[in-house]
Amino acid sequence: SQQGEEDPQALSIQEGENATMNCSYKTSINNLQWYRQNSGRGLVHLILIRSNEREKHSGRLRVTLDTSKKSSSLLITASRAADTASYFCATVANAGGTSYGKLTFGQGTILTVHP
Amino acid sequence: ETGVTQSPTHLIKTRGQQVTLRCSSQSGHNTVSWYQQALGQGPQFIFQYYREEENGRGNFPPRFSGLQFPNYSSELNVNALELDDSALYLCASSLRNLDYGYTFGSGTRLTVV
Repeated sequence: SQQGEEDPQALSIQEGENATMNCSYKTSINNLQWYRQNSGRGLVHLILIRSNEREKHSGRLRVTLDTSKKSSSLLITASRAADTASYFCATVANAGGTSYGKLTFGQGTILTVHP
Repeated sequence: ETGVTQSPTHLIKTRGQQVTLRCSSQSGHNTVSWYQQALGQGPQFIFQYYREEENGRGNFPPRFSGLQFPNYSSELNVNALELDDSALYLCASSLRNLDYGYTFGSGTRLTVV
C-alpha cells in the first residue's frame, strides 16, 4: 500500500519558474527521500532528509519536512526542460522490526517544464 | 564505481510461465531490494535481501521469490505468471544504513500476455 499522497498529481510550468511538490505520509519515519524518474525507467535519488531535520538544500533543490503534520515539500528553483520527469517521495520507517530500510512511495507528481 | 545493472530490460511472457530477473548491485552495497511499479503508480516493495537472507517482505504472494548471492547480486523469480504481474521491476542496492539513499537500476519491463 502507498504511504501517502503527493500533490499535485501533475504540474506544468515554464522554464525558469519554480516548481513545488508536496508529499504527505501516515506513520512515523526515520527519514524521507525524494526520487526522480524519467520516462518510466529507473529512479534517481535526489535528497534525503532525516526526521530531526526541518530543511535541506542540494543545488537547486530545497526540501522541507514537518513531522507534526507528516508532510514534506520539494522545491525546484529556476526549472529547466531537463527537469521534466516524475518525482516521488519515499519514507523509511524507524529501525527495528522487519523490512529494515524499506522505502514506501507516494503516487508521484508528473512535472513538465516547457522551454 | 558501477551503478546497479538489471537484465533483461524488456521481457514478454505468457500467463502461467515463470520468469527470472537479475540485478547486479552497486559496488560496496550489501543490501538489495526489489520493487514492482505498475503503470502510473509509485513502486511497491516486494522484498529485501541482506547477507543472502530475505530481510523483509511486502504484500506479495509466495510465488514471488528471490535470492542474493555472495557477491551481493540478486535474482527475482516469479512463478505462475498472471496478467497483473505486468509491470516495471526495479532493483535497488544500498548500504545497510538508514542515512543513505538507494541506487536503482533502470528496471525490467515485464509484459505478461
